Amino acid sequence: QVQLVESGGGVVQPEKSLRLSCTASGFPFGSYGIHWVRQSPGKGLQWVAVVWYDGNVKYYADSLKDRFTVSRDNSKNTVYLHINSLRDDDTAVYYCARDPGGVVTLDYYFDYWGPGTLVSVSS
Amino acid sequence: EIVLTQSPGTLSVSPGERATLSCRASQSVSSNNLAWYQRKPGQAPRLVIYGASSRAFGIPDRFSGSGSGTDFTLTISRLEPEDFAVYYCQQYGVSRITFGQGTRLEIK
Repeated sequence: QVQLVESGGGVVQPEKSLRLSCTASGFPFGSYGIHWVRQSPGKGLQWVAVVWYDGNVKYYADSLKDRFTVSRDNSKNTVYLHINSLRDDDTAVYYCARDPGGVVTLDYYFDYWGPGTLVSVSS
Repeated sequence: EIVLTQSPGTLSVSPGERATLSCRASQSVSSNNLAWYQRKPGQAPRLVIYGASSRAFGIPDRFSGSGSGTDFTLTISRLEPEDFAVYYCQQYGVSRITFGQGTRLEIK
C-alpha cells in the first residue's frame, strides 16, 4: 500500500538549519509530485512547497520561499525539505503528501499523507 | 488568498445519526477545487472528498460532498464510531492553497 514516512524532526535552535526527509513506498515514486504541509501548535494547516515528479518543477508558499528548499532523489524514493534560519514560528508538525496528478499535472490536493514529523524551534 | 471558514468548530452527534459540516470560502473556488480531509490523533490525514463531491478511494458511501462557488458541505449520513475525528476543507483552485481551521466531530 501507499506509504509516506517523514523523518528528521527534533528540537533545533533558532537560526540553525534542518533537513527533513520523506521516504515513500507502495507506488511508482518517480511519477508523482510530493508536497510539504505543516501545522503549527494551535494553528491551521499551511501548504509549504511541492516538487513535481522529476524534480525540475518546484513551487513554494510566498512567505516561505526565501528559507525553504525542496528537492528529491528518485533513486532513493525520498523527498527533502531544507529549512534555513529556523524561527520560533517554524515550530510545527511537517507532513509530506502525494499529489494525485502523476506526470500529467499537479492537482494541488493530497491523496496520501505521512504521519508527520515534529520540528520544535527552541533555544 | 481565499479564506475558508468551517462551521461549527465542534459538532456533537450520536452514532447512527447524520453529521453536516460546512466550509465557506471568502471568494468563489474555481472549478469546485475543494477537498475534505479526516484526521485522527496520531494518524496521517486521510483524503475523503476531492472536486467538491468525488469520494476518494476506499471512502464509504455514507460520506458525501456537495456545494459550489463559496459554500460547500460534507455530510456523513450514518455516523460510525470510526468517523469521529477532525475534518478540514482545502481549496486548490488558485495559486495559494488554503485550508479551513477544522471541525471537530465528537461523540454525543
